Amino acid sequence: EDQVTQSPEALRLQEGESSSLNCSYTVSGLRGLFWYRQDPGKGPEFLFTLYSAGEEKEKERLKATLTKKESFLHITAPKPEDSATYLCAVQVPGTYKYIFGTGTRLKVLA
Amino acid sequence: GAGVSQSPRYKVAKRGQDVALRCDPISGHVSLFWYQQALGQGPEFLTYFQNEAQLDKSGLPSDRFFAERPEGSVSTLKIQRTQQEDSAVYLCASSLAKWSWQETQYFGPGTRLLVL
Repeated sequence: EDQVTQSPEALRLQEGESSSLNCSYTVSGLRGLFWYRQDPGKGPEFLFTLYSAGEEKEKERLKATLTKKESFLHITAPKPEDSATYLCAVQVPGTYKYIFGTGTRLKVLA
Repeated sequence: GAGVSQSPRYKVAKRGQDVALRCDPISGHVSLFWYQQALGQGPEFLTYFQNEAQLDKSGLPSDRFFAERPEGSVSTLKIQRTQQEDSAVYLCASSLAKWSWQETQYFGPGTRLLVL
């Protein structure tokens, strides 16, 4: 069964304390893995698309990496404004469907 | 430019009522998706439109759910005889081109539906 699992469910960091979020997936023939940020009361905001194992993408304090079984979102020296829920999603090959994980709720304390 | 907009932002319905949720995608966007997001969960795919054609409705949870996009722009998600389990945030997303797994989806703010 196609599935996306994110861990941890919640994470509290001090400002400047780097960490990583995990997204593991089981889907045959991965086409793309997507990372989104979601603030309370808002829709998800696109961050990255990763296409193949070994690929890395960066944006400000965020870096996303991809292996054959999982993806990591590394947050370097986070700031309070990085507090949000981070979602990952995979596209299900042969369909129009995307499967999202349940997200990691990140809280960065000043 | 304007992003994806949804209305109403909040809707309270009595059990058994019919509701209609509207999505205005980014102008010119060909693809449109509807998702349901329960509290504390990730979005769950409901349906996909390419222009006015509904190409995938496999995620609609029951025949009480119906979606349309008659002119290939604005879309409406209708829920008949609402039940308490329908309470969720309904998200709409659009993307520029016809479906491609590489296309970036732009989400609206969602409609929060509460069924009493």
